[in-house]
Amino acid sequence: SSELTQDPAVSVALGQTVRITCQGDSLRSYYASWYQKKPGQAPVLVISDRNNRPSGIPYRISGSSSRNTASLTISGAQAEDEADYYCSSRDSSGYQWVFGGGTKVTVL
Amino acid sequence: EVQLLESGGGLVQPGGSLRLSCAASGFNFRDYAMSWVRQAPGKGLEWVSSISGSDEVTYYADSVKGRFTISRDNSKNTLSLQMNSLRVEDTAEYYCVKEFEYLDTLDYWGQGTLVTVSS
Repeated sequence: SSELTQDPAVSVALGQTVRITCQGDSLRSYYASWYQKKPGQAPVLVISDRNNRPSGIPYRISGSSSRNTASLTISGAQAEDEADYYCSSRDSSGYQWVFGGGTKVTVL
Repeated sequence: EVQLLESGGGLVQPGGSLRLSCAASGFNFRDYAMSWVRQAPGKGLEWVSSISGSDEVTYYADSVKGRFTISRDNSKNTLSLQMNSLRVEDTAEYYCVKEFEYLDTLDYWGQGTLVTVSS
């Protein structure tokens, strides 16, 4: 298997932009997906395939990827964006999934 | 609308067994691989196991290999996870998750079922 590394926590002022990153060798072969997790709720897919946004996910959430790093950007952060964000991808075998440790986003 | 509804969680003693189920609806179940992902209290997400759609090939995390068995019944749109030799460290919320292989992602998650392993 392989590992994905995320910063544990970031904060952003209301209405400002924040970018969180995810690094790992598997990202050289597979795109990352990003999941939003709020306490007591199931994870929600917010970005897949580098920058594919599922229906209902606001345009202010976007993704990008370069080499072994994937990024999630929240432009104009809102109070409802406060959550834990996890990146994930296939591992090097292509059959298993690996998750980052999660980034707690606090909106000030 | 895709729905995934887990059941079967509860309190079990170390060394005990538990069987989780997930009832799926809103999509052609047999066409999609499915996974179980868990989150221990205060910890991050951890992939547990996956099963392919029609040929039912299975995969397991090293932490559960030999103790957990994933299975599916495509005639009943049901995913299962048989958990044996449970350990305290298996305590977690367990999520049933649909895979979308075209985009290599986990696109729908159930609400989860809590498994507590404690004496």
